Amino acid sequence: GAVVSQHPSRVICKSGTSVKIECRSLDFQATTMFWYRQFPKKSLMLMATSNEGSKATYEQGVEKDKFLINHASLTLSTLTVTSAHPEDSSFYICRSGEFNEKLFFGSGTQLSVL
Amino acid sequence: EDQVTQSPEALRLQEGESSSLNCSYTVSGLRGLFWYRQDPGKGPEFLFTLYSAGEEKEKERLKATLTKKESFLHITAPKPEDSATYLCAVQTLTQGGSEKLVFGKGMKLTVNP
Repeated sequence: GAVVSQHPSRVICKSGTSVKIECRSLDFQATTMFWYRQFPKKSLMLMATSNEGSKATYEQGVEKDKFLINHASLTLSTLTVTSAHPEDSSFYICRSGEFNEKLFFGSGTQLSVL
Repeated sequence: EDQVTQSPEALRLQEGESSSLNCSYTVSGLRGLFWYRQDPGKGPEFLFTLYSAGEEKEKERLKATLTKKESFLHITAPKPEDSATYLCAVQTLTQGGSEKLVFGKGMKLTVNP
């Protein structure tokens, strides 16, 4: 079945550095990828929607310059957290936007900013 | 406004003690209701998709049902390995015709041996 591979699974970085998270569709073409953020004991909050070959659509309150999204190919979407600060520490998850019964998620990335 | 509410927020069961998790929703135009299991530090793992009222699906000790207002996830004779957070999500369409997925806050299940 369709699988979304997300890397890295965990990253610890110093404040001020940038972190890139990748989501790859392994056996299908993902024209759309959704990016979520999840705080402990909270639900998944949609941050942005990336579309292959065009600009991402950001949800209200999400800083475009802080969370850079690139969807340059049909199999790869990336989220870059720029100049990360401790308040950016969170669990980030991607999801394939292709309609199918299961709506596949990546395995998530735990970001810890010191 | 589209809303998905899960209850209870947390549940502790003894091994073998059956129970049900509730997911109530108010959305304009249901495309599908999804149940996921999420372990700490992991992405959601798909369990079920339900599309219309009256539909039921089963997998091992889990059974999901759907009405026009809510869905239940029944857990029969749970085992400790069933301990996880269970997420409910409802898929609808926005006014612009794009897909929208609304999540509940999740329900943390702990099954004690």
